[in-house]
Amino acid sequence: DGGITQSPKYLFRKEGQNVTLSCEQNLNHDAMYWYRQDPGQGLRLIYYSQIVNDFQKGDIAEGYSVSREKKESFPLTVTSAQKNPTAFYLCASSIRDRGNPEAFFGQGTRLTVV
Amino acid sequence: GQQVMQIPQYQHVQEGEDFTTYCNSSTTLSNIQWYKQRPGGHPVFLIQLVKSGEVKKQKRLTFQFGEAKKNSSLHITATQTTDVGTYFCGSGTGNQFYFGTGTSLTVIP
Repeated sequence: DGGITQSPKYLFRKEGQNVTLSCEQNLNHDAMYWYRQDPGQGLRLIYYSQIVNDFQKGDIAEGYSVSREKKESFPLTVTSAQKNPTAFYLCASSIRDRGNPEAFFGQGTRLTVV
Repeated sequence: GQQVMQIPQYQHVQEGEDFTTYCNSSTTLSNIQWYKQRPGGHPVFLIQLVKSGEVKKQKRLTFQFGEAKKNSSLHITATQTTDVGTYFCGSGTGNQFYFGTGTSLTVIP
């Protein structure tokens, strides 16, 4: 079955450590996105990528980094510079060339800083 | 980034009552999409509207896109416990997706 896989589902990190969240899709989508979800704040865009080896900052990119070396993969690194990293992280993908594509989401990773 | 506001933030209804959530943008939208996120789950696409004044129905759900393409609403008739979750509006152009803050719906049996 085609879809988006995020791993791990739950992640615990000590303060000062970097951590990488995995996102893999087999939908052959060009575009991929990372969102952060906090209670009462909806989905906020961290980074997005329209094509391999290219990505753009979203609204809250500070303290995060991404790479897009393969079409299928868009990992997100939460660095120690992110002051409040505890949140639910969602990866999504879509077709790039259609005018109004829908977004397909992964199951999410819940990150907790301990 | 594009600002898409959604109200109310929370809504509690008795089972059988109707429910409406509203989405507003300060700019004209090329489309409006609606997603549902069940508790503990991830957002799932429900529907997309692209035409001014468009209305679409899915069983008990009615979606509207405003004439100016700056607002939208989702109305659920006679809510059921299966309707529980957070409903997001969003707009995408193939380059970026922006979402509203979501409305969390609780249905009291």
